[in-house]
Amino acid sequence: NAGVMQNPRHLVRRRGQEARLRCSPMKGHSHVYWYRQLPEEGLKFMVYLQKENIIDESGMPKERFSAEFPKEGPSILRIQQVVRGDSAAYFCASSTRWETQYFGPGTRLLVL
Amino acid sequence: DAKTTQPTSMDCAEGRAANLPCNHSTISGNEYVYWYRQIHSQGPQYIIHGLKNNETNEMASLIITEDRKSSTLILPHATLRDTAVYYCMGSNFGNEKLTFGTGTRLTIIP
Repeated sequence: NAGVMQNPRHLVRRRGQEARLRCSPMKGHSHVYWYRQLPEEGLKFMVYLQKENIIDESGMPKERFSAEFPKEGPSILRIQQVVRGDSAAYFCASSTRWETQYFGPGTRLLVL
Repeated sequence: DAKTTQPTSMDCAEGRAANLPCNHSTISGNEYVYWYRQIHSQGPQYIIHGLKNNETNEMASLIITEDRKSSTLILPHATLRDTAVYYCMGSNFGNEKLTFGTGTRLTIIP
């Protein structure tokens, strides 16, 4: 059973560009979570989604950030007009209902 | 979410048991104690979780005090690959956000 997959693993963007991060959950998992880890800091929750629904977005910045988990395909975390402060590792986790979250390898975003 | 307190860092000799403590005095009755670890900026790896009883799996053992205010993660025979930051946290056994603290940086010494 393949684990949580994230791509790209590394992403370089210039200030003002858009970043799209993808997360494919483990087979059979319909719950996806996104976390951000700034350099030398701990992981911070961003958003929790089920298929086609955002359940908890209390950790999402109010502007420029959005997330979706469509009926078909991976979950997408989208960052518009990136700034240097967005440089971080972004981790996705997935779970079934009432079960443990399993994490992917992360996407390292570098904003130049 | 329960507030957790862990030592900033610990060392353990290779082959010995590593015992990582965690205080979670504010944990609520329906919150499980979860342990994850992060090896050198990789994705966090689930280790174990428990509610009241002690738990053991292929990776580790979890000892929870009777009052549930603290717990200890035990890696029975530490190897160099166990060098990582270890996080404990409380979470309802359901689907909610995990709150990572600062964790314990465990270094296994050859």
